[in-house]
Amino acid sequence: DGGITQSPKYLFRKEGQNVTLSCEQNLNHDAMYWYRQDPGQGLRLIYYSQIVNDFQKGDIAEGYSVSREKKESFPLTVTSAQKNPTAFYLCASSSMGEDFYEQYFGPGTRLTVT
Amino acid sequence: AQSVTQLDSQVPVFEEAPVELRCNYSSSVSVYLFWYVQYPNQGLQLLLKYLSGSTLVKGINGFEAEFNKSQTSFHLRKPSVHISDTAEYFCAVSDPNSGYSTLTFGKGTMLLVSP
Repeated sequence: DGGITQSPKYLFRKEGQNVTLSCEQNLNHDAMYWYRQDPGQGLRLIYYSQIVNDFQKGDIAEGYSVSREKKESFPLTVTSAQKNPTAFYLCASSSMGEDFYEQYFGPGTRLTVT
Repeated sequence: AQSVTQLDSQVPVFEEAPVELRCNYSSSVSVYLFWYVQYPNQGLQLLLKYLSGSTLVKGINGFEAEFNKSQTSFHLRKPSVHISDTAEYFCAVSDPNSGYSTLTFGKGTMLLVSP
């Protein structure tokens, strides 16, 4: 079955540590996205990538970094510079064809930093 | 920049009653519109989308939405809800002229269906 995998589902870290969240898709989609979800805030775009080796900042990129070395993978690093990293993180992907704007979401990773 | 307003943060309703979840967006130029559903601790699933054509869009699980350009609205409706419809619902908008496929989401509406 095609889909998006995010691992792990729950992640715990100490303050001051960098942490990398995994996102893998086997949908052969060109575009991938990272969102942050906080209660009552909806989803906010962190980074997105429409092609390998290229990515753009979203609305809340400060304190985060990404790479896109392979089409199927788009890992997100939450750095120690992110002031409030505890949140639910969602990865998504979309094709570049006629369903360009339809995003498919992974199950999410809940990050808790103490 | 576009914005999306979901007017109700929570909508309580009894099982088998009709429901409408409201969504307004800021831009009056052409837009693509989406409704997604999220069950607890899961990712989002697409319910329906409006790209062009008929303003009444039918989606999965018996939901439908009506695009109203003059009122910049895209309200979601279901004539008879089930307990299993309890979830959070997100309205989202995309600008087809931007060249980018990014979505702007509303803050969500929690639909609470009780027996």
